[in-house]
Amino acid sequence: GESVGLHLPTLSVQEGDNSIINCAYSNSASDYFIWYKQESGKGPQFIIDIRSNMDKRQGQRVTVLLNKTVKHLSLQIAATQPGDSAVYFCAENENAGGTSYGKLTFGQGTILTVHP
Amino acid sequence: DTEVTQTPKHLVMGMTNKKSLKCEQHMGHRAMYWYKQKAKKPPELMFVYSYEKLSINESVPSRFSPECPNSSLLNLHLHALQPEDSALYLCASSQAHGAGYGYTFGSGTRLTVV
Repeated sequence: GESVGLHLPTLSVQEGDNSIINCAYSNSASDYFIWYKQESGKGPQFIIDIRSNMDKRQGQRVTVLLNKTVKHLSLQIAATQPGDSAVYFCAENENAGGTSYGKLTFGQGTILTVHP
Repeated sequence: DTEVTQTPKHLVMGMTNKKSLKCEQHMGHRAMYWYKQKAKKPPELMFVYSYEKLSINESVPSRFSPECPNSSLLNLHLHALQPEDSALYLCASSQAHGAGYGYTFGSGTRLTVV
């Protein structure tokens, strides 16, 4: 299954399917991107990150793709499991030019529901 | 220790009360952040501290007053809040030398203003 970010904030898939969650970011100055998973009543949990000098990064069952030309980020989850059900946020980090901190801005989020 | 710890987990306060939220990390991170998250919305940045100095205030009302007593602690002092300030308040920290890399979030304080 696949979401298209702003227009489809929910994604329902069957257990074992692959999931694709999309995100459009807005700031050309963003140099670092993170995907977070947030379960009800909890804080955002880091899933995977990617720097702007890369276009793909793989983790365990997850892959992030970055297309800087169209300012698009996607998260692919392989063999989705019921425990993957949560809200997924993309976040873009703007490094304010030589400072010692970032400015992390979140996308609107996608609700992923995995049916057994 | 790879955690950001926030206390309390839940807080109910009246509009005339004064309360404080606390955040602690021992990862050596020198940048710390407060975010506010309303239901079904993404977290929104409120404040950024870098090396114990306030670096960013995202036009937050003065009824929210941040404080960074040392490199491990971040407080958010609350006074004369409104019911619309009810939200999940998240603290985060990041590696200073990586300019924002290594963000770690706490579990948040669920604040209800009555």
